Amino acid sequence: AQSVSQHNHHVILSEAASLELGCNYSYGGTVNLFWYVQYPGQHLQLLLKYFSGDPLVKGIKGFEAEFIKSKFSFNLRKPSVQWSDTAEYFCAVRDTGGFKTIFGAGTRLFVKA
Amino acid sequence: NAGVMQNPRHLVRRRGQEARLRCSPMKGHSHVYWYRQLPEEGLKFMVYLQKENIIDESGMPKERFSAEFPKEGPSILRIQQVVRGDSAAYFCASSPPDSDEQFFGPGTRLTVL
Repeated sequence: AQSVSQHNHHVILSEAASLELGCNYSYGGTVNLFWYVQYPGQHLQLLLKYFSGDPLVKGIKGFEAEFIKSKFSFNLRKPSVQWSDTAEYFCAVRDTGGFKTIFGAGTRLFVKA
Repeated sequence: NAGVMQNPRHLVRRRGQEARLRCSPMKGHSHVYWYRQLPEEGLKFMVYLQKENIIDESGMPKERFSAEFPKEGPSILRIQQVVRGDSAAYFCASSPPDSDEQFFGPGTRLTVL
C-alpha cells in the first residue's frame, strides 16, 4: 500500500535559516508528488508538484523540491525562511493517472522573527 | 472564480445526531474528493465523486457515512449517528475533468460532544 512519511513533526527555525523538510514515500509504480502548505486559519494550497521531467521542481514563494527516485524521496527546501513561512507542510503522493492522493502526517514549521 | 467552498466551517453535534457537510466545487470542476484529517495526522482519502456518480469510496467507513454529488447543487458528506471519534476536520477538493490537480476548500471542523 502507498504511504508517505514525513520525518519531522515540528521544526523551529530562526528567520534567514535554511529549511529542508524530509519526505519519503512507499510505492512501487510511477507517482506524482506534491507539497501542500496550510497557513494558520487557511486552507491547503499547492506549493509545488512533480509529474515528470526535471527532478528539481521550483514552486511558489522560493520553495523547491528534489525528486530522488532511487531514494523514494521528495524533500522540500528553501534557502532562507521568513516569519511568514510559519505553517504546516504536507507531502503527498498519487499514482500516475490515479486520483487517490496519500498525504503525510504533516510538519509544523515555526519561524522565529 | 471563487475557490472551493465548504460550509459550515464549524459544526458541533451531540452524539447520535446527524452531520451534513457541504462542498461547492470551483466553477467548471466536476470531480469532488473528500478527505478527513484527525488531530496530528495527515489527510486521509475518503471518497471520490463525479456528478451523480461515486467513483471510489474505499476510504469511507462502512457504516454511518455516505456521500453524494447531485447533478445540481453541492456535494454532501453525511454522517449519521455521530460519535466522538468522528470529530475531525473534513476537507473537500475539486478538479476539472481534464486535470488531476486538486484544489482544496477551507474545511469543516466537526466537533462531537
